[in-house]
Amino acid sequence: DVKVTQSSRYLVKRTGEKVFLECVQDMDHENMFWYRQDPGLGLRLIYFSYDVKMKEKGDIPEGYSVSREKKERFSLILESASTNQTSMYLCASSPDRDSPLHFGNGTRLTVT
Amino acid sequence: SQKIEQNSEALNIQEGKTATLTCNYTNYSPAYLQWYRQDPGRGPVFLLLIRENEKEKRKERLKVTFDTTLKQSLFHITASQPADSATYLCALGVNTGFQKLVFGTGTRLLVSP
Repeated sequence: DVKVTQSSRYLVKRTGEKVFLECVQDMDHENMFWYRQDPGLGLRLIYFSYDVKMKEKGDIPEGYSVSREKKERFSLILESASTNQTSMYLCASSPDRDSPLHFGNGTRLTVT
Repeated sequence: SQKIEQNSEALNIQEGKTATLTCNYTNYSPAYLQWYRQDPGRGPVFLLLIRENEKEKRKERLKVTFDTTLKQSLFHITASQPADSATYLCALGVNTGFQKLVFGTGTRLLVSP
């Protein structure tokens, strides 16, 4: 079974802090994704990557950046956390364009 | 504008009945549609994929239909069980040259014993 592991289940950070959310997948998948999930808004795509060192903006990239130095690891960076970035963050991976996504269990981030 | 709509109200049904969840979309031309299950505090888990040229897909007690004319997918769970209680998300696979899934907000299903 594919395993997507997010490093933290819960995080509490202060406004202005730089925040790193880490995600690792163990199935050699090409594609990796970062979503955020908010009540009433569903999952919204922040960034994705289809290869090492490649990244593409999703629908809501503002205030975020990503890093993919190794195939198995995809990091989401909040350069200067703000309260409106309080959310559930979900990482996912897939082997190719038409395949289902495999999600991690999420990181619930609270910015105070 | 582009929209994916799932009923935001929870669906309550009795055990043993068939649950039917709806996913409607506007101004998308999806190549495929996926359904996921999400339990509280967990990430979504893939259930079924149906392509634009397919009308129906089945997997055990699950059935998905896809009507590109009506721009609608229906997701059925037959002989529902309390363990089926969860939030169900539909996701459209959009042709953009790379993989992009656009998710609905999900419908919560509650199956009572």
